[in-house]
Amino acid sequence: NAGVTQTPKFQVLKTGQSMTLQCAQDMNHNSMYWYRQDPGMGLRLIYYSASEGTTDKGEVPNGYNVSRLNKREFSLRLESAAPSQTSVYFCASRDYTDRTDTQYFGPGTRLTVL
Amino acid sequence: RKEVEQDPGPFNVPEGATVAFNCTYSNSASQSFFWYRQDCRKEPKLLMSVYSSGNEDGRFTAQLNRASQYISLLIRDSKLSDSATYLCVVNMGGYNKLIFGAGTRLAVHP
Repeated sequence: NAGVTQTPKFQVLKTGQSMTLQCAQDMNHNSMYWYRQDPGMGLRLIYYSASEGTTDKGEVPNGYNVSRLNKREFSLRLESAAPSQTSVYFCASRDYTDRTDTQYFGPGTRLTVL
Repeated sequence: RKEVEQDPGPFNVPEGATVAFNCTYSNSASQSFFWYRQDCRKEPKLLMSVYSSGNEDGRFTAQLNRASQYISLLIRDSKLSDSATYLCVVNMGGYNKLIFGAGTRLAVHP
């Protein structure tokens, strides 16, 4: 099992450019998440998908959109990148049942917006 | 006040030392608690869940104090490989209520 995979690993954009971050999980989890991590701050939730077919805003959704393509894939799109979106982006899937609650993270995408 | 607060450190300790981190949370209705470990430039990984009665996993012991609203992580006999950032995570209920602390950095030296 690959777990959670993310592409790309690194990306440099110019202000105003768009891009999509891809995420896939092979653990058959229902819920998936996108976070950003900035120095000195905890992971902040951008969007989440509790199950296939549903998506909801998290703490910092402005400037982002998401698509839950199927149970495996959850993509994050930046329509018009801004320097404030320079960050490390982590996708996660969550094993969330009565008996367990574990998030599995992908390796991250390091994004720089110039 | 932040919902989950941690001392950022770094905690610099020699190999073999015992070190403890605390984490405070603001919402008394918080339901479950976790410690995640994050190595430099890597993704977070679950270290252990924190149970009401306290729990131990090898050299690691986690405690929960609901009255004072904090959780702790104790590491005994520190190894060089324990050097990492330890993230306190609190589930305040629901899919979107998993709150991460900013982390405490531990550096174990020979």
